[in-house]
Amino acid sequence: DAGVIQSPRHEVTEMGQEVTLRCKPISGHNSLFWYRQTMMRGLELLIYFNNNVPIDDSGMPEDRFSAKMPNASFSTLKIQPSEPRDSAVYFCASSLWGAPGNQPQHFGDGTRLSIL
Amino acid sequence: AQKITQTQPGMFVQEKEAVTLDCTYDTSDPSYGLFWYKQPSSGEMIFLIYQGSYDQQNATEGRYSLNFQKARKSANLVISASQLGDSAMYFCAMREVNNAGNMLTFGGGTRLMVKP
Repeated sequence: DAGVIQSPRHEVTEMGQEVTLRCKPISGHNSLFWYRQTMMRGLELLIYFNNNVPIDDSGMPEDRFSAKMPNASFSTLKIQPSEPRDSAVYFCASSLWGAPGNQPQHFGDGTRLSIL
Repeated sequence: AQKITQTQPGMFVQEKEAVTLDCTYDTSDPSYGLFWYKQPSSGEMIFLIYQGSYDQQNATEGRYSLNFQKARKSANLVISASQLGDSAMYFCAMREVNNAGNMLTFGGGTRLMVKP
């Protein structure tokens, strides 16, 4: 079975540019999560969706960040304009909401983002 | 207050020995779940083991087991017969059932290094 698929795996761009990260959750999963991981701050939850609806975006750092989930099989995280401090590994994860509590979140391989 | 605390930033263990990674948590929710993830140097997040707050037995998965002490609010991961491939970051996480979705709160992680 295919896991969570993220693209691109690596992104290097100059500050001020728009960055779009993509995620395809596991088929049948109805919860999707975006995380950011840095050495300084560890793993931070940015936003999550249940049934394509954003539930909690309190972790989104600034208005420069936005996330969408237009359908059950696709989500994007956009940064516009990007800044060097946005450099991090961004993970997408999915899980089954409403299922028994032992359902783990399954993570994609992450996007390593470098803003120059 | 932090909800998940991992007090060991880094640990060494000799190959073939057992090692315990500490995790304490804080919640007033009577129903919750605790998860452990492994993150090797390649970066992916791998789900290892789950413990529910009402589970009577400590969880086990192969060489991984959870030393769950509910009164102390601790859920330590025990890895038996350490292997070189166990060298990685390990994260403890908690899901409180009363939250709106499947949100996990992660600890800061412990870096385990297995010595040959």
